[in-house]
Amino acid sequence: GIQVEQSPPDLILQEGANSTLRCNFSDSVNNLQWFHQNPWGQLINLFYIPSGTKQNGRLSATTVATERYSLLYISSSQTTDSGVYFCAEGGGADGLTFGKGTHLIIQP
Amino acid sequence: DVKVTQSSRYLVKRTGEKVFLECVQDMDHENMFWYRQDPGLGLRLIYFSYDVKMKEKGDIPEGYSVSREKKERFSLILESASTNQTSMYLCASSMSQGREQYFGPGTRLTVT
Repeated sequence: GIQVEQSPPDLILQEGANSTLRCNFSDSVNNLQWFHQNPWGQLINLFYIPSGTKQNGRLSATTVATERYSLLYISSSQTTDSGVYFCAEGGGADGLTFGKGTHLIIQP
Repeated sequence: DVKVTQSSRYLVKRTGEKVFLECVQDMDHENMFWYRQDPGLGLRLIYFSYDVKMKEKGDIPEGYSVSREKKERFSLILESASTNQTSMYLCASSMSQGREQYFGPGTRLTVT
């Protein structure tokens, strides 16, 4: 199956900083999603972005399907942005294949 | 807004007990999924259902069964709970295969 690599694995930033999280895929990207897992464990949908660029407030994402990667941008970080960010691909009968996540800590 | 709910946030059961985890979605989605999440292993698919009474095994179905009697409800059953089933269980739904999945809040199950 498809392999999903996320980088960096850990990131510690001060409030107000910007960050870029990356996902690389070993195969074609068709149904890419970004999630934020909050401290209580729930996976919150951020973007469904098989290709192109989307923006939602301080967050934006870009997927370049032909080059098999996706980027998540977080601007003007807030402490509530802390948590684990996952990208995932698939969603058919095999379910989603997740990366190992980026653990983001925003310090006040 | 899509809403996926799970019956319990935290659950503690004893070894050998039969455990039911319930998941309900309110968006008339065709597909529903059960995953478990473990440190170092990430999220793994247990079972998938694409219609009422229809199911397919995921990567780790051993020790689990599922039931989907109504479109909106997908139950995960641990026939005889074991300590290695202590985990975070996440339910998800999607309109169709390969479309955006929406997750419930999760159930943290501890088997003692």
